This record gives sequence, C-alpha cells and structure tokens, in this order.
Amino acid sequence: KNEVEQSPQNLTAQEGEFITINCSYSVGISALHWLQQHPGGGIVSLFMLSSGKKKHGRLIATINIQEKHSSLHITASHPRDSAVYICAVGHTGNQFYFGTGTSLTVIP
Amino acid sequence: DVKVTQSSRYLVKRTGEKVFLECVQDMDHENMFWYRQDPGLGLRLIYFSYDVKMKEKGDIPEGYSVSREKKERFSLILESASTNQTSMYLCASSLSWTDYGYTFGSGTRLTVV
Repeated sequence: KNEVEQSPQNLTAQEGEFITINCSYSVGISALHWLQQHPGGGIVSLFMLSSGKKKHGRLIATINIQEKHSSLHITASHPRDSAVYICAVGHTGNQFYFGTGTSLTVIP
Repeated sequence: DVKVTQSSRYLVKRTGEKVFLECVQDMDHENMFWYRQDPGLGLRLIYFSYDVKMKEKGDIPEGYSVSREKKERFSLILESASTNQTSMYLCASSLSWTDYGYTFGSGTRLTVV
C-alpha cells in the first residue's frame, strides 16, 4: 500500500483548460509538497503547505488535513506546464513519502 | 537561490565498476539526501546525512554507500555497479530538521551495462 496516492497518473489537456491533480495520503504529516519535474530535468519545489491554500501565479495548492487530501490546480494551462507533478508528504523528521507522479501534457 | 549541483547529468558504467555520484550544495544546509527515481515507484530514499560524517540508511540502502567529509558535499557510491541500479539519481538538501523545504539537484541518469 502506498502512503501517498496521486490521481490521475496521466493527464492530457488543451491549452487554456483548468487542471486539477489530486493527492491523498494515509500518514500523519508535518507538511506537504508539490514538486514539478520537467522531462530529463531536476525537480523544483512548487509549494510547501501544512494548511489552507497557497497561490503562485497560475498555480494554486490546497490541503484538507482532516480529509488527508491535497489538490494542485493550474489555471489557463499552457504547453510549458507540461511536466510530471509529484506530491510529497513530510512525515517525521526527514522522512518523506512520495507519490508516483502525474504526467501532464498540455496541447497547444 | 540555493543550488544543488550534481556532477554528471548522464553516466554509463559497466557492471562491476565502482561508481561515484557527487552532489554539492552552496547554502550551508545541514541535511542532504540521495534518492533514486524509477517509473511507477516514485522517489525512494537511499541514504541521508544530517551532519558531516553522519549518515543514516533510507528505504533502499543495499548496494550503496555514502560519504560526507565536508558539509557541502554528499557522495553516493555504488561499490560494484549492477544493471538493476540503472536509474535516475536525485540529490536534495534542506536547512535543518524543522525546515521541510527541499532543494533538488537536476539528477544523474545512470545506465549500467
């Protein structure tokens, strides 16, 4: 059983669409991260959140601690948003659990 | 901006070779990590270090060792590379136990033939 489940695994969208990626977790957390990985590239941390909602440009991340669920939203999607998005849950100390990622392709 | 630099983007090594993957961070972070990333499995922690000369095993340490002689450098060593160690290796660092902000390197794609 995975401690962190993401859905969908793969997502294709038309440019301009509103996109939602979901993350559910089963462990107690200190913080949740949304990470972005471009093809062949390293990983960039988009958000770290432990409650509520954060917004950065066209990206919005929300978390519901009671339901153990987080969502990453992308408004007005663009082809440059094409990447793998990874949910990571900080458990205790430096122990992290990672989802297997959602591969997003945005078509012009 | 914190930078985590991995010395090689792509490496091809032969079975049985000793392989060194180097990671350097430039912001005096205490904690450094080595992960491998495989399709369908996500990121898995190999080893981490919370101080110079200190190391802790992660979830999949078998076949690997690490070295942290200086605070800024964390090396992953494959003592005798095998084909099942073909993977993407990612290094990360963070400031302290209470800081959950991670910075990742750009990754090293290792192929063992």
